Amino acid sequence: GDSVTQMEGPVTLSEEAFLTINCTYTATGYPSLFWYVQYPGEGLQLLLKATKADDKGSNKGFEATYRKETTSFHLEKGSVQVSDSAVYFCALSGDTGGFKTIFGAGTRLFVKA
Amino acid sequence: NAGVTQTPKFQVLKTGQSMTLQCAQDMNHEYMSWYRQDPGMGLRLIHYSVGAGITDQGEVPNGYNVSRSTTEDFPLRLLSAAPSQTSVYFCASSTRLAGGTTDTQYFGPGTRLTVL
Repeated sequence: GDSVTQMEGPVTLSEEAFLTINCTYTATGYPSLFWYVQYPGEGLQLLLKATKADDKGSNKGFEATYRKETTSFHLEKGSVQVSDSAVYFCALSGDTGGFKTIFGAGTRLFVKA
Repeated sequence: NAGVTQTPKFQVLKTGQSMTLQCAQDMNHEYMSWYRQDPGMGLRLIHYSVGAGITDQGEVPNGYNVSRSTTEDFPLRLLSAAPSQTSVYFCASSTRLAGGTTDTQYFGPGTRLTVL
């Protein structure tokens, strides 16, 4: 079945450092891919998404490119801020999952001032 | 738009008690779902609905019931609470993409449940 694997955390960075959180997926067909962010004490919210191969999703300085050849959707940001400290979830919605969205396990990011 | 609302925000139950977690959305979304999130773990799907009158089980349905009589509301019932059900519960709603797959999910703020 469909699955999502993302790098384990926690990830600890200093402010203004470059961020990469790896995400790879297994799915048949052409799934849609998402990154969600969860701030402490809150529900998840969409950060960015891409619905077809080679699409780049971007929001708030974060970017991710849908790479079908490597089945990846890595999240990047050029310069992180303390306010980016949160848990990040990679997710997919694909043909074989039907209704369901498949979430990765989440990666916790700590950014130090 | 209020988006997805959940009540209560916090709840403490004793083992064996029953209760209903409320969830409502005002975006006219077809799809709604319930997840639980345990410490250090990701999301696990409990139940979901693809429209009024239609519900189905997720990966951890035991001990929970749902119904969907309207598009807006999707309550989750705990039948006889157990300590293993201590968790944070999230309700989410979404539209569907062409082909029936799920588009962006909109999450509520969560209900933090403790079962003693």
